[in-house]
Amino acid sequence: ILNVEQSPQSLHVQEGDSTNFTCSFPSSNFYALHWYRWETAKSPEALFVMTLNGDEKKKGRISATLNTKEGYSYLYIKGSQPEDSATYLCAPYYGGSQGNLIFGKGTKLSVKP
Amino acid sequence: DGGITQSPKYLFRKEGQNVTLSCEQNLNHDAMYWYRQDPGQGLRLIYYSQIVNDFQKGDIAEGYSVSREKKESFPLTVTSAQKNPTAFYLCASSREGAWYNEQFFGPGTRLTVL
Repeated sequence: ILNVEQSPQSLHVQEGDSTNFTCSFPSSNFYALHWYRWETAKSPEALFVMTLNGDEKKKGRISATLNTKEGYSYLYIKGSQPEDSATYLCAPYYGGSQGNLIFGKGTKLSVKP
Repeated sequence: DGGITQSPKYLFRKEGQNVTLSCEQNLNHDAMYWYRQDPGQGLRLIYYSQIVNDFQKGDIAEGYSVSREKKESFPLTVTSAQKNPTAFYLCASSREGAWYNEQFFGPGTRLTVL
């Protein structure tokens, strides 16, 4: 069973702070990495799908980078707002017998106004 | 509005009973998925279907069954063989069953076995 680690498990920041968290995953047979945001009482929502080493994606104040050789991805939020409060999930995809997304446990972000 | 609906939102079941969770999508997506979430764990794949009348087991399929008779619908049956069915269940879909397509999720069903 492949192990996907997300750190930290939870994070509390003040409005306006910038923050980042990490997703670590086995790099062998890696195809792609998905990031999702899951707000309380809502459905998980896709942020990014990343495939190439060195890939960088941006959506508003949120950006992500990918290192496929060492097996990690960083998610950055610039100037956090209360509406950014959510659990952020990463999920790498591997081919072969692991032909589905393997989800990490998530990083829970709380942004205080 | 296009999206995925799951019903019911909350479901209570007595031990020994089978129960079916509904998942419908009007996104015209080919692929559909069922995940389970337990406290302190990541989402785990139960079953997925890439096309009508075809489905594959995920990591934790034991005690569950599915059908995919229509493109829009992918119901999940939790059977009495599932030893620990109390959990939060999420349904998802994607344009194709390909790794580069983002998945769209429903609001979930919380199942409690009494």
